[in-house]
Amino acid sequence: AQSVTQLDSQVPVFEEAPVELRCNYSSSVSVYLFWYVQYPNQGLQLLLKYLSGSTLVESINGFEAEFNKSQTSFHLRKPSVHISDTAEYFCAVTLPSNTGKLIFGQGTTLQVKP
Amino acid sequence: KAGVTQTPRYLIKTRGQQVTLSCSPISGHRSVSWYQQTPGQGLQFLFEYFSETQRNKGNFPGRFSGRQFSNSRSEMNVSTLELGDSALYLCASSFEPGQGRYGYTFGSGTRLTVV
Repeated sequence: AQSVTQLDSQVPVFEEAPVELRCNYSSSVSVYLFWYVQYPNQGLQLLLKYLSGSTLVESINGFEAEFNKSQTSFHLRKPSVHISDTAEYFCAVTLPSNTGKLIFGQGTTLQVKP
Repeated sequence: KAGVTQTPRYLIKTRGQQVTLSCSPISGHRSVSWYQQTPGQGLQFLFEYFSETQRNKGNFPGRFSGRQFSNSRSEMNVSTLELGDSALYLCASSFEPGQGRYGYTFGSGTRLTVV
């Protein structure tokens, strides 16, 4: 079975500071990895995903995540955050075997302060 | 193009009643998944439908059921509602099953409150 652990439930940070949201996963087989973002009263939006290949993946709004197989981690980083980045972030895994089942971590609330 | 549409957005029901939630996927998407989001349990997979067939089911009691129509629209039903069923129910759609090339697009959800 697969599981996902997001190590911080809340991360407060000042605007323009760097941030890292940590995600560790457990699986005996290869998985696909995702980061989703949820703004208040909205659904989930895909931020970025790792399927294979380069271990560093980037999103269009400045976030990046690095897949580390030996540490079973997929941490999300941004070098300079904005107030608008305030949201809840979810790390998720799924098996590559054509299943629609995503297994989510408990989420990390990013609070960007002015 | 229009996104994933979930109706209604908000719903208040009484314990013991039943409820039906609707999800219209993005045009052309044939796979639909449902998730329950609560503060205590987080995001949990309910079920997945593709071409009107349930392909995968999460660990929920039989009170939770769903179906998909030939136009790919999906409904989920919860019978004999309990207070613990209060949650945000999210629907996600994709061209095909799986999270590979296409990924899933989520709707804004239906907020169900059971009183």
